[in-house]
Amino acid sequence: GDSVTQMEGPVTLSEEAFLTINCTYTATGYPSLFWYVQYPGEGLQLLLKATKADDKGSNKGFEATYRKETTSFHLEKGSVQVSDSAVYFCALSETNTGNQFYFGTGTSLTVIP
Amino acid sequence: EPEVTQTPSHQVTQMGQEVILRCVPISNHLYFYWYRQILGQKVEFLVSFYNNEISEKSEIFDDQFSVERPDGSNFTLKIRSTKLEDSAMYFCASSQGWDSPLHFGNGTRLTVT
Repeated sequence: GDSVTQMEGPVTLSEEAFLTINCTYTATGYPSLFWYVQYPGEGLQLLLKATKADDKGSNKGFEATYRKETTSFHLEKGSVQVSDSAVYFCALSETNTGNQFYFGTGTSLTVIP
Repeated sequence: EPEVTQTPSHQVTQMGQEVILRCVPISNHLYFYWYRQILGQKVEFLVSFYNNEISEKSEIFDDQFSVERPDGSNFTLKIRSTKLEDSAMYFCASSQGWDSPLHFGNGTRLTVT
C-alpha cells in the first residue's frame, strides 16, 4: 500500500544553516506530494506541494522536487530562521484512493539563534 | 484567510464514556475528514465524508466511531465507549475538491483516563 517515510528527528540547527529533511514514498499510482508544517499549538498547514514528476514546490524559502526515479520529495531551505522551528510532515495523496492522505511521522526542527 | 476550527482544544474523559469532537470546516468546502495522531506516531486517516455520507473509512474507524454533519456548518466525530488507546490528537480537515489540498484545524487533544 501507499506510505511515506521521512527522516527521523529531532533536528537542531543554527540560524542561517542549510536544511534538508528527507522524504521517500511508496505509491501504486501517480500521487501528489505535499509538505505540511505544524507550528507549536497549531494545526497542520500546507507548506508546498507538487502534483507530478519533476515539479518543484516552493514557499517561504522552502523547496521540494518530486523525483519519480528515486521516489523522493526532500524538503530543503537554504537559510533557516528561528521562526521555522516546527514539525514538518511529508504526505502523499492519490486520487485513485479518494483524497486519503498518507503522512510520514513528522520531523521536529528546532532552530537556535 | 478562512480556517477550519475545532472545539474543544483539549478533552479529558473517563474510559467508557462517549465524546463528541466538533469541527467547523471552511464554508465552501465539500469534503470533510478526520485524522488522528497518537503521540509519537504517524498522522492516520480515519474517515472522509462527502455529500452527507461517508465516502471512505480506515480500519481504525470501527463501530465505535461515527460522524455526522448535523447542520450546514458543523462536522462531528463521536467516539462511543472510549478506550485508553483512543487518547490522541484528532484533526479535522476539509477540502474544496476531490484532489485539492486538505486544510486542517488545530486539533483536539483527547485524553482518556
